[in-house]
Amino acid sequence: GEDVEQSLFLSVREGDSSVINCTYTDSSSTYLYWYKQEPGAGLQLLTYIFSNMDMKQDQRLTVLLNKKDKHLSLRIADTQTGDSAIYFCAETLYNQGGKLIFGQGTELSVKP
Amino acid sequence: EPEVTQTPSHQVTQMGQEVILRCVPISNHLYFYWYRQILGQKVEFLVSFYNNEISEKSEIFDDQFSVERPDGSNFTLKIRSTKLEDSAMYFCASGGSNEQFFGPGTRLTVL
Repeated sequence: GEDVEQSLFLSVREGDSSVINCTYTDSSSTYLYWYKQEPGAGLQLLTYIFSNMDMKQDQRLTVLLNKKDKHLSLRIADTQTGDSAIYFCAETLYNQGGKLIFGQGTELSVKP
Repeated sequence: EPEVTQTPSHQVTQMGQEVILRCVPISNHLYFYWYRQILGQKVEFLVSFYNNEISEKSEIFDDQFSVERPDGSNFTLKIRSTKLEDSAMYFCASGGSNEQFFGPGTRLTVL
C-alpha cells in the first residue's frame, strides 16, 4: 500500500548540518517532495526531485534519493534557528491525479 | 510573489450544519486540490480537480463533500452536514503538473 514514514523529531545545533530522512513503500512514485511548515502557517514547497534522479541541490538544501532502498533524505547545510519547523516528505504516484501522499512530519529543533 | 489564499482562517460550526471553505488559487494554475490535517495526524488528500471536473478523490471524500469552481477564480469545498470528526485544518493547493503550492489553511471546528 501507499505509505510514507519519517522520524518525528530531530534536534541540532545552529551551524551544524541537519539530515531528515524519509522512507516510502510504493515503487510507482513519480516525484518526491519536501515541504516545510512553520507554526500556524501552511505548507511551503522547499524542493522536489523526479524519481529517476539521485540527487538535487538547491542552495543549502540537498536531496538524496535511493530508489533501491526507497529512501529519501533532505540535508540542510549550516542550519539556522529560522529553519526550526516541521518538515514533510511527500510523494506522488503514477496516474493518481497528482495526489500527494505525506509522511507524518519531522519536527526540527535548532538550538543556538 | 503570487500565493494561494484561503478564507476564513477559522470557522466554528455546529454539528449538522453546512460549511463552505473558500480558496483563491494562483491565477495561471490548472490543477486544484483539497487536503486536510486532523490534529496530530498526517496531511490527507481529499480531492483533485482539473478541467472543471474531479480527477481523483479519496475514500474520505464521500457524498457529504463537494467542490466547485464557481467563477473561474475561486475554488470551494462544501461539507454538507458536518460531523465532529470533520474538525481539522483544511488546506487548498494549486499547481502545474509537478508542483503544488499550499494556502495557509482554514481551521474548522465542529461543536
